[in-house]
Amino acid sequence: DAGVIQSPRHEVTEMGQEVTLRCKPISGHNSLFWYRQTMMRGLELLIYFNNNVPIDDSGMPEDRFSAKMPNASFSTLKIQPSEPRDSAVYFCASSKGAPSTQYFGPGTRLLVL
Amino acid sequence: SQQGEEDPQALSIQEGENATMNCSYKTSINNLQWYRQNSGRGLVHLILIRSNEREKHSGRLRVTLDTSKKSSSLLITASRAADTASYFCATENYGGSQGNLIFGKGTKLSVKP
Repeated sequence: DAGVIQSPRHEVTEMGQEVTLRCKPISGHNSLFWYRQTMMRGLELLIYFNNNVPIDDSGMPEDRFSAKMPNASFSTLKIQPSEPRDSAVYFCASSKGAPSTQYFGPGTRLLVL
Repeated sequence: SQQGEEDPQALSIQEGENATMNCSYKTSINNLQWYRQNSGRGLVHLILIRSNEREKHSGRLRVTLDTSKKSSSLLITASRAADTASYFCATENYGGSQGNLIFGKGTKLSVKP
C-alpha cells in the first residue's frame, strides 16, 4: 500500500492567497484526521472525519479554514485568506476500526509570507 | 486540548544506553499509543497498550501502563543513533469519539554515537 499521500509537500504563498492542501487516505480506512504542527503549539487536531462525515471541527482555528471529504479517497483543507501565522506543517492521517492506530502522511510544509 | 504530557521534554544519551520516557494523562482511556517522529517526517505508530494491559514489548521497546496513576512509560533498550527522534504518547479516551487520539507534546530524544 502507498500509505497516506499528501500534496503539495511544500507550499510558499503570500498573505491573502488561498491555499488548498490535499490528502488521499489509505484505501479501506474510514477515519481521516487533519493536524497542524508548530514548535510553539505542538501537534493540534484541526478536524476529523468518520465515513466522510465531519465529526469534530472544534480545532479549526477560524472561519478562514475549511475542510471537505467528498469521498472516501480524498480530502482537502483550505485556508482562505492565508496569514503568516498559518505557517506550519499540516499532517493528514487515516485509521480504520478500533482500536485506532493512525497512519500519518509526510505532511505539507506551508510558509505564508 | 492536550491530554498526554511527556516527561522529559528532551533527553540526550549515548548509544547503547537505555532511554526512558514518561507520559501522564488526565481522563480514563481505552488505550494509549506511542508514536515516533523523525525530523521532517510524519508520525509513525510504535506500540499500543490497552487499558487492561500493564506491560507490552515490541523488539527493543517496552511500554508500561499504570491506570491508577494515569501514567505510562516507554523504554528503549540498547539505544542506537537511529533512535534519535521525537516520541509522542497519544490516548484514545474512554467515551470519546472512536478513533480520535489526543497527543502530548513529545519528548525529543537524541542518541549520540
